[in-house]
Amino acid sequence: NAGVTQTPKFQVLKTGQSMTLQCAQDMNHNSMYWYRQDPGMGLRLIYYSASEGTTDKGEVPNGYNVSRLNKREFSLRLESAAPSQTSVYFCASSVEGAGTEAFFGQGTRLTVV
Amino acid sequence: SQQGEEDPQALSIQEGENATMNCSYKTSINNLQWYRQNSGRGLVHLILIRSNEREKHSGRLRVTLDTSKKSSSLLITASRAADTASYFCATDGGGSTLGRLYFGRGTQLTVWP
Repeated sequence: NAGVTQTPKFQVLKTGQSMTLQCAQDMNHNSMYWYRQDPGMGLRLIYYSASEGTTDKGEVPNGYNVSRLNKREFSLRLESAAPSQTSVYFCASSVEGAGTEAFFGQGTRLTVV
Repeated sequence: SQQGEEDPQALSIQEGENATMNCSYKTSINNLQWYRQNSGRGLVHLILIRSNEREKHSGRLRVTLDTSKKSSSLLITASRAADTASYFCATDGGGSTLGRLYFGRGTQLTVWP
């Protein structure tokens, strides 16, 4: 039972490069999330998808785009990476958004140089 | 910000002692959740308490919620070295943000053998 799977686990980018972080869940969950975690800042919501075909901005969406490809997959794209986007990125999913627990992936550690 | 704020930022105790962590938040909530994160790993859900509940138990965990004070506490009884981790509260605000979780900065708990 894989749960939430994120790829890659580690990535180093040069400033200005683009990349897509992949996330897939096998729990038939409707809601999916992307967070970033910086030292001393806790987790901050980047984007949220309540269901297939819908996405909403979170607290820190600037510099990111997302795609809810299908019910299982929710990708996060950095079009032009900046050093300020150096962070650990977590994908999560839940059955329904409200009042249910979220299940997290293991994270992607991204460094932008 | 809709984030919760945990207090203390760091807590160091001996095995067998109880650990209490507090969370304060600013806006009304639908529910509040507590998560645990071991170093370098994703977050794991511990317990969820709804806005109409005042106390909840799960094993050695006890969570209280005071919506009038906009605060919650997590008590871990008879702590073990394996409880060493970061603990985060997350609020689900309801209304237009229903289903989106907002995390605090966390409490780093160290339990010494």
